[in-house]
Amino acid sequence: EIVMTQSPATLSVSPGERTTLSCRASQSISSNLAWYQQKPGQAPRLLIYGASTRATGIPARFSGSGSGTDFSLTISSLQSEDFAVYYCQQYNRGLTFGGGTKVEIK
Amino acid sequence: QVQLVQSGAEVKKPGSTVRVSCQASGGSFSTYVIGWVRQAPGHGPEWMGGIIPIYGSPYYAQKFQGRVTITAAESTTTVYMELRGLRLDDTAVYYCARDRTGDQFRYFDLWGRGTLVTVSS
Repeated sequence: EIVMTQSPATLSVSPGERTTLSCRASQSISSNLAWYQQKPGQAPRLLIYGASTRATGIPARFSGSGSGTDFSLTISSLQSEDFAVYYCQQYNRGLTFGGGTKVEIK
Repeated sequence: QVQLVQSGAEVKKPGSTVRVSCQASGGSFSTYVIGWVRQAPGHGPEWMGGIIPIYGSPYYAQKFQGRVTITAAESTTTVYMELRGLRLDDTAVYYCARDRTGDQFRYFDLWGRGTLVTVSS
């Protein structure tokens, strides 16, 4: 099974700041990576697929990069609605999710 | 616009079986992959398996092989997930989700609201 490791577990960020979340795969997954945002009591919401393609309706302040084993999600200017938990998910072989990064207000 | 409507919360005893349904409101699943993902309290999501209509067969994550069955109604507006031999650590929110790519499991762009399954003696 491909293990996805996200870091850090928690990020404390001020509104308006830029922040970057990391995701590492235990083996190469090419660009077969998605990012999701989840708020309390809600289902995950697809943000990014193919490592860098924004899903429909996702604001341009969200961007993804990386390939192989190392990936990142950048939020260029955090808005109040962006404070949530973010998960990466690989789909190169099976589907596995990371443990999540919680982005909280500093 | 298609929505995924899931059945309501369940409370089950250890060793019993739960069946969760996922209905496409406003459309059908006939061309979409449907997956089941569960999320235990305080944990990340976990893919359980799903169904790819063009192949007509269900697929299961190795962890759940032999314990889960995923089926689709002939009309392909409803997909079911049945989990047997429930254990306390099966307590989780169970989601159905759609993958529009159509021919394999990749990423999910539409999710149901989730069904809380609580396993308790």
